[in-house]
Amino acid sequence: LAKTTQPISMDSYEGQEVNITCSHNNIATNDYITWYQQFPSQGPRFIIQGYKTKVTNEVASLFIPADRKSSTLSLPRVSLSDTAVYYCLVGTWYSSASKIIFGSGTRLSIRP
Amino acid sequence: DAGVIQSPRHEVTEMGQEVTLRCKPISGHDYLFWYRQTMMRGLELLIYFNNNVPIDDSGMPEDRFSAKMPNASFSTLKIQPSEPRDSAVYFCASRRTSGGAGTDTQYFGPGTRLTVL
Repeated sequence: LAKTTQPISMDSYEGQEVNITCSHNNIATNDYITWYQQFPSQGPRFIIQGYKTKVTNEVASLFIPADRKSSTLSLPRVSLSDTAVYYCLVGTWYSSASKIIFGSGTRLSIRP
Repeated sequence: DAGVIQSPRHEVTEMGQEVTLRCKPISGHDYLFWYRQTMMRGLELLIYFNNNVPIDDSGMPEDRFSAKMPNASFSTLKIQPSEPRDSAVYFCASRRTSGGAGTDTQYFGPGTRLTVL
């Protein structure tokens, strides 16, 4: 199983772009990279998923280099409401040995 | 869609009592997951079901924990007897196999906050 490593916490200010990097050195060929967001007292919520290069949606962008050993979640122009814990997951659901490892996530704090 | 529904939202019980947590997944979803979240251990997968069949329960901490899914619209997680160290937020999540590549999105419920005194 591919283990992920993320910074424990990050701070930023409203209006800034925030980049959170996740390391996954032993990612497998079929693994995808998925990011979830969790607000206090709520369950995690899907943000974005990708396999390689760049993926963008209305919420964030995900950058994945060619070797796929890391990925970067980019949040443009953050606001106070982006304060949350962000989890990076690596895996695939089509293996009998697959297992979800959310890890400790990155606690992002946005200040005015 | 109402989303994943969990009940109760809060549960306070005494050590030794039986606790039953309930989950109704999103209609049409074929996978159901039970997680536990604590400050010390983060978010842990306990067990998951596919088409009502338990697939992987290796995350269940011990025999005091059991989970069932009698039909596609209902699942329970039972702790008997409960202990103070079981205090945590328990999440249920579901997803639908799309048949495409990648990992399909999991939809989480609001969680049940369990306190065992």
